[in-house]
Amino acid sequence: GAGVSQTPSNKVTEKGKYVELRCDPISGHTALYWYRQSLGQGPEFLIYFQGTGAADDSGLPNDRFFAVRPEGSVSTLKIQRTERGDSAVYLCASSFGTSGNTGELFFGEGSRLTVL
Amino acid sequence: AQSVTQLDSQVPVFEEAPVELRCNYSSSVSVYLFWYVQYPNQGLQLLLKYLSGSTLVKGINGFEAEFNKSQTSFHLRKPSVHISDTAEYFCAVSGPGGYNKLIFGAGTRLAVHP
Repeated sequence: GAGVSQTPSNKVTEKGKYVELRCDPISGHTALYWYRQSLGQGPEFLIYFQGTGAADDSGLPNDRFFAVRPEGSVSTLKIQRTERGDSAVYLCASSFGTSGNTGELFFGEGSRLTVL
Repeated sequence: AQSVTQLDSQVPVFEEAPVELRCNYSSSVSVYLFWYVQYPNQGLQLLLKYLSGSTLVKGINGFEAEFNKSQTSFHLRKPSVHISDTAEYFCAVSGPGGYNKLIFGAGTRLAVHP
């Protein structure tokens, strides 16, 4: 497809389980971002990749959260020992290179995570 | 640190009426400002942006916004709304850093009624 693809669209898991969320960016976009959107709030920055490397992971809330982008395209956000507070919509976005600060992020529809 | 405040969580309006969605920001450095829109069951998409130059910026679907540095505001306006404008609108700010680390407001839900 032409847009950012995220899977699964919905994930229900139990407290303490491990979860992986996948993002397939627009072809040719070297920059990839993960955001988290909790109910009633705006998206909150988690991590930014330029190519294969995490250039800024300052938004990851703790060491249970980890993200990879091994080949500079698809990215996986990994959450260990999930907690009920991790329940949110996880958004992925991509853009052309750094594009300065043009704000031209292309977002996927998100993965809704529910931790019971 | 940068922050964004969207003063209204919900704005109900009748079709063909004008609307203004308010956004104020806080930053100690120069900023770039954006409005994103999220239609039901869709991803966020860029509505308009202010990077530099003219303080009045025009975006898609007839929306415009005005950057006011003295009031640290970037309010979004449309002179006549349609039912199809019903969506969640997010104001965002980014600063120096060379990449798009956006700080978002909490969002304003615009509900257009017939």
